[in-house]
Amino acid sequence: DTAVSQTPKYLVTQMGNDKSIKCEQNLGHDTMYWYKQDSKKFLKIMFSYNNKELIINETVPNRFSPKSPDKAHLNLHINSLELGDSAVYFCASSQGGRTGAAKNIQYFGAGTRLSVL
Amino acid sequence: AQKVTQAQTEISVVEKEDVTLDCVYETRDTTYYLFWYKQPPSGELVFLIRRNSFDEQNEISGRYSWNFQKSTSSFNFTITASQVVDSAVYFCALSLSGGGSEKLVFGKGMKLTVNP
Repeated sequence: DTAVSQTPKYLVTQMGNDKSIKCEQNLGHDTMYWYKQDSKKFLKIMFSYNNKELIINETVPNRFSPKSPDKAHLNLHINSLELGDSAVYFCASSQGGRTGAAKNIQYFGAGTRLSVL
Repeated sequence: AQKVTQAQTEISVVEKEDVTLDCVYETRDTTYYLFWYKQPPSGELVFLIRRNSFDEQNEISGRYSWNFQKSTSSFNFTITASQVVDSAVYFCALSLSGGGSEKLVFGKGMKLTVNP
């Protein structure tokens, strides 16, 4: 079984559309994350959630809205897609609570490649 | 500010050569964690190693070894007798402890190509 799974793996859409990426982890972890990897391979955190509570929001445009229905799921909804949103989006999860989570290994999904035309 | 620098962007070697990937970090914290991740051509991110700031012991795992030196703020990664399957982008990352804002700060990655 895949530990951190994202769907879809590929997403091609037109500018202005709204799309969602889903993420689920079966590791029993408390914290989940979204990272964005740009065309130059640079990885940057977008959001983190701990037990459904938003912890990190890294100055991401409010067109991006994460939703965590439970601690095993963290979905990413993007409104009014723009060309610059084209990237690979990675979901990750780690054990541990709000404090002291830095030591915990983050396990990543396979990524979702979003192409906005 | 917390920062990770991987000065090399791309390295190409021939199989069986040894290769060292450099990583230099900046942080004012005394407690922090360093990681290496591998991203093969298939795209997933694979965890390789974690090191905490209080443990400067070097580590060896098969053909992989890591040299952590606090004095130079470096956490270098060496692959001995490289193989084609080692071809990937390798990321060094820094994670900080405390206060509910833990996150990984990644270097820009280093693309390693191992040619047969």
